[in-house]
Amino acid sequence: GQQLNQSPQSMFIQEGEDVSMNCTSSSIFNTWLWYKQDPGEGPVLLIALYKAGELTSNGRLTAQFGITRKDSFLNISASIPSDVGIYFCAGPVNSGGSNYKLTFGKGTLLTVNP
Amino acid sequence: GAVVSQHPSWVICKSGTSVKIECRSLDFQATTMFWYRQFPKQSLMLMATSNEGSKATYEQGVEKDKFLINHASLTLSTLTVTSAHPEDSSFYICSARGRDGRNEQFFGPGTRLTVL
Repeated sequence: GQQLNQSPQSMFIQEGEDVSMNCTSSSIFNTWLWYKQDPGEGPVLLIALYKAGELTSNGRLTAQFGITRKDSFLNISASIPSDVGIYFCAGPVNSGGSNYKLTFGKGTLLTVNP
Repeated sequence: GAVVSQHPSWVICKSGTSVKIECRSLDFQATTMFWYRQFPKQSLMLMATSNEGSKATYEQGVEKDKFLINHASLTLSTLTVTSAHPEDSSFYICSARGRDGRNEQFFGPGTRLTVL
């Protein structure tokens, strides 16, 4: 099946630093989604990307849909302690007919030192 | 908008009992809901897809008689873990996809199941 390779697996940074993480795939995706999951909670959608080359911001977060449609990155600027969590990329794969399900990257664990 | 709730948020049960988890889309109608299982420090594992008014589609390796899914309305799906055993202990998360044709999924807060 379609796999998403997410990197880095974990990051330890100082408060105020910028962060970048990315996802790649051997297959083309028509949508890229970025989620954040806090401990003991469900994932929260941060940014959704629908067009190749699209660059979208949500506050201090910026994500881009790669032109090849096989990759996406997420940047966080001026990190703060509440940015701590696991970030997942996800993309839809066809599960039969017009049905789609999401495939997820393995996540990037972000730790921010105050 | 796009709020999904789950109930209960946590449950502890004895081995052999059944547990029902509810997933509700609060401010939108969800034609499709998904149930995931997540182990510590791992990504989400899709268990099944449920479409309103039809049978759920289970992923390979997921026992449909063990994990009963019902999606009787556009705002409610339930997952029943039957005859639960300690190995069923996990974090169960549901998500809902709206009718706008996009593939975004909105997740519930999760249910922590502990089977003694």
